[in-house]
Order: sequence, then C-alpha cells, then structure tokens
Amino acid sequence: DIVMTQSPVSLAVSLGERATINCKSSQSVLYSSNNKNYLGWYRQRPGQPPQLLIYWASTRESGVPDRFSGSGSGTDFTLTISSLQAEDVAVYYCQQVYNTPWTFGQGTKVEI
Amino acid sequence: QVQLQESGPGLVTPSETLSLTCTVSGASITGQVYFWSWTRQRPGKGLEWLGHIYYSGTTAYNPSLRGRLSMSLNTSKNQFSLKLTAVTAADTAVYFCARADYSGKAPDYWGPGILVSVSS
Repeated sequence: DIVMTQSPVSLAVSLGERATINCKSSQSVLYSSNNKNYLGWYRQRPGQPPQLLIYWASTRESGVPDRFSGSGSGTDFTLTISSLQAEDVAVYYCQQVYNTPWTFGQGTKVEI
Repeated sequence: QVQLQESGPGLVTPSETLSLTCTVSGASITGQVYFWSWTRQRPGKGLEWLGHIYYSGTTAYNPSLRGRLSMSLNTSKNQFSLKLTAVTAADTAVYFCARADYSGKAPDYWGPGILVSVSS
C-alpha cells in the first residue's frame, strides 16, 4: 500500500494569513503516460463529507476559491491556503488514487 | 447537477451484514469514465477507502477488509451498493459514497454520508 504522511497534524493560523500543509507519499504517484500526479486534496468541515479542492496535485476543482493552490510532484506535495478565512476551519486530507487501495493522509486540522 | 445519496439501516447487529445503497442522480452509473466508490470514517478518525466498482462491474476492494466486502450495480435504478459481512463494533462509521474519474481525478462528488452503528 502507498502510505500518505501529512504534516503538521494541526495548524493554527490567523485570519488572512497563509496556511501550508504537506503530504508525502511512500512511492511516486506520477503516472508517466500522461505526466499527471494522481493526488487530490480535500477539505472536510465538521459533519460534512469531504470536499475536493485540488486534483492532479495542482488543478483547482471548479468553484473552489483561488486562495487554494496545490503544488508538488512525485512523492512530495503541498496545499497552500493563501489567506485563511473563517470557513476554512476544517480538517484537510490528501489522497492518492494512483494504486489501489487508494489511501488518505491522516489529516491536518486547521484552526484560527 | 450530480448528486449522490446513501441509504440503509442506521443500526446493524454484530456478526450480521451491513447493506448500503447509493442513489445517483445527474449522471449515469453506466458512464465509462467513472468509478463509484465507498469510503468510511470511524467516529473522530480519518478517512478509509473501502473500494470501488466500475460500470462494467469490475471491482477493487481494500484488502484490510479481508474478503468481507462486495459491491454491485443496479443500472435500472442508477444505484450501486455495498455489502459488508460479519460486522463488529469496529465497523461503526459514517459511510460515504462518491464518484471518481478514470483519468486519475480524485473523487469529486460525494454523498452526505450515513452513520451506521454496530451494536446488539
């Protein structure tokens, strides 16, 4: 199984400040035939299902605010929230969909 | 607009079978670019992918479930289902159904989730 390791486990950021979350995979999730990283980022607010923010490591999902951005390739990835808003208080997860079983990171709790 | 909705019993007796259905609207489960997946979240814990089923009926399951899991399609009702046998308290969780894309896009549309408790 591909192990996904997120850091930090929790993060406190002031409103309007930048939040950065890291995700490392135990093996590459770069699909060589199309040069895409099979890596997604989610935001999960309390009592809600996960919401896809970023797919292919850096492509923003339709309707997601541009303060969310993803970067990285291969085994090391980053989710950045450029200016934290109150509605961004949540747990954030990365997930690889390169190999089954698809696996998630353990989550990063973002607080104000 | 694509929508998914989980349904099933909220309480299951230990050693019995947990059966859930996901009803899809706004997209056909026979579409050749989609996987239909199940993920669960134990209380206060992270997300665990359980498996998915392709329009052809091809499935992939999480080996951690040790052969207890099966999935199926009901194309006439545009639904897909999950069966988990021999449940224990460790299977108590919120179960989510979701749609994933064959291109390697992570699941984009999710149901709201259904809490299933395993208790006698």
